[in-house]
This record gives sequence, structure tokens and C-alpha cells, in this order.
Amino acid sequence: EAGVAQSPRYKIIEKRQSVAFWCNPISGHATLYWYQQILGQGPKLLIQFQNNGVVDDSQLPKDRFSAERLKGVDSTLKIQPAKLEDSAVYLCASSFLNEQFFGPGTRLTVL
Amino acid sequence: AQRVTQPEKLLSVFKGAPVELKCNYSYSGSPELFWYVQYSRQRLQLLLRHISRESIKGFTADLNKGETSFHLKKPFAQEEDSAMYYCALSAKTSYDKVIFGPGTSLSVIP
Repeated sequence: EAGVAQSPRYKIIEKRQSVAFWCNPISGHATLYWYQQILGQGPKLLIQFQNNGVVDDSQLPKDRFSAERLKGVDSTLKIQPAKLEDSAVYLCASSFLNEQFFGPGTRLTVL
Repeated sequence: AQRVTQPEKLLSVFKGAPVELKCNYSYSGSPELFWYVQYSRQRLQLLLRHISRESIKGFTADLNKGETSFHLKKPFAQEEDSAMYYCALSAKTSYDKVIFGPGTSLSVIP
């Protein structure tokens, strides 16, 4: 299916382990977002990139989360070390004319 | 601070009945408002945005700046409308910051 790609789709890890998620946005979309969606809540923005620069990372827990978007195309989000409360769906989106296009998400379970 | 509230977590209506999903926001500037929808096993996707002022799948939403609301309405609900609906606000800063509400799960009963 064309659109924003994410991998893996599911990941189960133990607390204190590390995990990385990958996102490939729609070609030509300059803006890329990573959201955390905890069960029963709306998506919460973790970080927003404009090309390869960060424009908003105010809600990113920087002691454990990091993200990069090298070359202004695909992006990775890393959690190191993971905590139980990091269990959530991690959504990647890219936007065009302020419409966001979402990937399928990565469901992370931390045991 | 910008905020989006959706007072109903769950909403059940019968097929053919009118439906209204409520959304209120707080923002001091001129926001752009959106409704996003997530059908079962599908991706989150845009349903409509206030600047387009169009009806999508029979849904409409009017921005009421006085009441700071952007309620989503449909006169006759269909079973295929059952989904999770999120109201979102784009704050016009130096970049387009988007804030999502907590969502309302709509169930249309046949």
C-alpha cells in the first residue's frame, strides 16, 4: 500500500531494553511527525521535523527518547532504556498542505 | 495553551438517527480545525477540515468561534460510520503544530 511506511508493526521488549522504530514518509513531504498513542487517548506529538531539522520536541522525554531524520527523508525513533509506561502505539505521519498522512503504527509492549 | 476536548469517549446511535460528535478547543489565535477518523484495522485519516467547508461521507462540521466548538454532524448515521473520531487543532505558529483530542468512539447500532 502506498503511503507512509513504518516498521516493525509490533514489538515486545522487556523494561530497560532498547528499541528503534523506522518511518519512511510520502515522497516530497517535508514535515514528519512522531506521535505516541496510549490506549484510550489521542495521539500525542513527540517530535516534529521540517526537512531534517527539529521544529518541536517539547514533549519528547529526552532522557530516554531520541529521533533523527537524516537527509530529510526517513526517520528513526529510539527508546533507551524502555519503561513499562512506554507501552503504546507509535505513529509516524507526514504532511502536505497541513493534511497529515499516517502510517500504520508500531505497537510496542514493554514487559 | 492550546487544548482540544471531546467530552464523549463513547457514543452509540441507531442506524438512521442523527449523530453529533462534540469538540471544543482553547486557543487564543485563529486555529485550523480538523476531524480525523480511524476505521477498524485502518490508518488514521483526514475526514474533513473547516477551511474546505465541504461535506464528506455525509458529515459536516462548522467552526463556531464564539463557542470555540467544531462539532461533527451527520443527519442519518450508517453502520459504516462506526469508528474512532479525533478532533484536531492546528495552531499557526512558525510551524504547523497539531494537537489532537482524546477521541470519541462512535458505534452505530443496526
